[in-house]
Amino acid sequence: DAKTTQPPSMDCAEGRAANLPCNHSTISGNEYVYWYRQIHSQGPQYIIHGLKNNETNEMASLIITEDRKSSTLILPHATLRDTAVYYCIVRFFNTNAGKSTFGDGTTLTVKP
Amino acid sequence: EAQVTQNPRYLITVTGKKLTVTCSQNMNHEYMSWYRQDPGLGLRQIYYSMNVEVTDKGDVPEGYKVSRKEKRNFPLILESPSPNQTSLYFCATSPSGSRGYTFGSGTRLTVV
Repeated sequence: DAKTTQPPSMDCAEGRAANLPCNHSTISGNEYVYWYRQIHSQGPQYIIHGLKNNETNEMASLIITEDRKSSTLILPHATLRDTAVYYCIVRFFNTNAGKSTFGDGTTLTVKP
Repeated sequence: EAQVTQNPRYLITVTGKKLTVTCSQNMNHEYMSWYRQDPGLGLRQIYYSMNVEVTDKGDVPEGYKVSRKEKRNFPLILESPSPNQTSLYFCATSPSGSRGYTFGSGTRLTVV
């Protein structure tokens, strides 16, 4: 699996956009980029994923660079409830798609 | 309601006493996986399964066994638990390699 690198922590003001970066410079053409978040000790929650195009859903937007070596998760209007640990992972979508390695994630703190 | 159900939620046991943590899903997902989470070490994959009777080791399989005899169930077996297996365990399921995982609520295991 390609490894991912994220900053250990970030702060964001409530109502502002939170931009969380992730480096995955060794990603292969057979791997998606996934983002999850975990609030306290709850089970991680899937947010969004993408291959090479930018993606948007009701929770967030995902921007993947053209060379696919990095991505940014954007929470457009962060709220206090978005305070969580955010994990960026890469995962094969064909053979060996069961293997998923999580890194240390980024602790996002949204402040009033 | 689509869900991943883990049992028990909390368990305290003694060293060497065999135990099973169950995981069941009602979404007909093909992929199932077990993770453990320890402070400072993030989420680490123990075993995963890509279909019935197809299982493979994750990053930390030592001391654990799994089986996938039917699609909906993926139990995690600790034949002889030791204190270093004290952890928070999560089961996760996914319909395919190109979709995100849905996580269970977790099982907090303490081995004394």
